Amino acid sequence: DAGITQSPRYKITETGRQVTLMCHQTWSHSYMFWYRQDLGHGLRLIYYSAAADITDKGEVPDGYVVSRSKTENFPLTLESATRSQTSVYFCASRTGYNQPQHFGDGTRLSIL
Amino acid sequence: GQQVMQIPQYQHVQEGEDFTTYCNSSTTLSNIQWYKQRPGGHPVFLIQLVKSGEVKKQKRLTFQFGEAKKNSSLHITATQTTDVGTYFCAGQAAGNKLTFGGGTRVLVKP
Repeated sequence: DAGITQSPRYKITETGRQVTLMCHQTWSHSYMFWYRQDLGHGLRLIYYSAAADITDKGEVPDGYVVSRSKTENFPLTLESATRSQTSVYFCASRTGYNQPQHFGDGTRLSIL
Repeated sequence: GQQVMQIPQYQHVQEGEDFTTYCNSSTTLSNIQWYKQRPGGHPVFLIQLVKSGEVKKQKRLTFQFGEAKKNSSLHITATQTTDVGTYFCAGQAAGNKLTFGGGTRVLVKP
């Protein structure tokens, strides 16, 4: 969907480095989410946000940090990247409870 | 915590045949959603079921929500090559989070 964009699309970095994945949505959706997708694990929730300045942990939050100072942006930071964080990361947003989620195109992150 | 299981993990289907994928939750759900992800793409919302026993159809796809609101199924008739991809169910109980199943990866043999 053109309304939610992720950057970069591809990223290669080294263990121990800090990396930030960006997510921007133009719909003014209240809720935003970060998932990682690994073979055999489906989509696992890392963090989510119900509104600006409100964030909460998901299923696999360790090693990640998020912030949401503005409604439209929800960056995800890996403070000290590890090889186990090599994955495809998807950002998603939705308007409210019981509403469908709209996903970005994903960021393919490789950590060497 | 809440768990959502999907079976089968893989489905090899001959073009023109029917198949069903199943989704089971460890807890009662307020709603269940289905998504499709094409190879190399992102998940795309297909449908949401809210009511106990609800059945919805989208062309050749039929979605069902169980009476106890703990399970769901997706049935595809006359499979086509355009049906290739991974189908995910995602359940929402109390709270803001969707819990995704592991997905059923569908491969179609022409």
